[in-house]
Amino acid sequence: QKEVEQNSGPLSVPEGAIASLNCTYSDRVSQSFFWYRQYSGKSPELIMSIYSNGDKEDGRFTAQLNKASQYVSLLIRDSQPSDSATYLCAVNMNTGFQKLVFGTGTRLLVSP
Amino acid sequence: ETGVTQTPRHLVMGMTNKKSLKCEQHLGHNAMYWYKQSAKKPLELMFVYSLEERVENNSVPSRFSPECPNSSHLFLHLHTLQPEDSALYLCASSQVRGGGNTEAFFGQGTRLTVV
Repeated sequence: QKEVEQNSGPLSVPEGAIASLNCTYSDRVSQSFFWYRQYSGKSPELIMSIYSNGDKEDGRFTAQLNKASQYVSLLIRDSQPSDSATYLCAVNMNTGFQKLVFGTGTRLLVSP
Repeated sequence: ETGVTQTPRHLVMGMTNKKSLKCEQHLGHNAMYWYKQSAKKPLELMFVYSLEERVENNSVPSRFSPECPNSSHLFLHLHTLQPEDSALYLCASSQVRGGGNTEAFFGQGTRLTVV
């Protein structure tokens, strides 16, 4: 089992719709979870962090965490073509030392 | 300067050359990372330095040699690379605490082409 798993996509949604991106992880004791956005040829940029169960909202973005199910998701409301990018899920893991492990990313395409 | 800066932004090198990539973080973090991202592939973790100690070497060929002289600077020394090593090399930093990591911030990357 991969440490952090994401569907590679592409996930295609029309402009104005809600995009739902999912991520599962293997380490039950992980405490820190992050979502990054990466445009083609650019470096990843942090868009959300979440540390406790439930929802966390920031503008059009909502991160959802369910530690019992080892599941974290990102919802993007009112999707815009400019949201088209690869979204990376990152999970902090303790493997004798703390490190951030990234999923393979989900490519999102928002059509006008 | 703020954040994480990487130099150079672009590098073209021959297979017999020796070059170094530099990363500097101005965030007061205590962990630094090197990632490799090849075309249309996910991020591959290469090396992790935590509190200036290398704590992970992810089966990276010896032609890549990292160096972390202090918590703010990270280097990746390159020698006798192969064309398949052409990729975007990303540096990141984070703060490791008792409960785990804070967010990691990335530099803009070095686009490396081996000819």
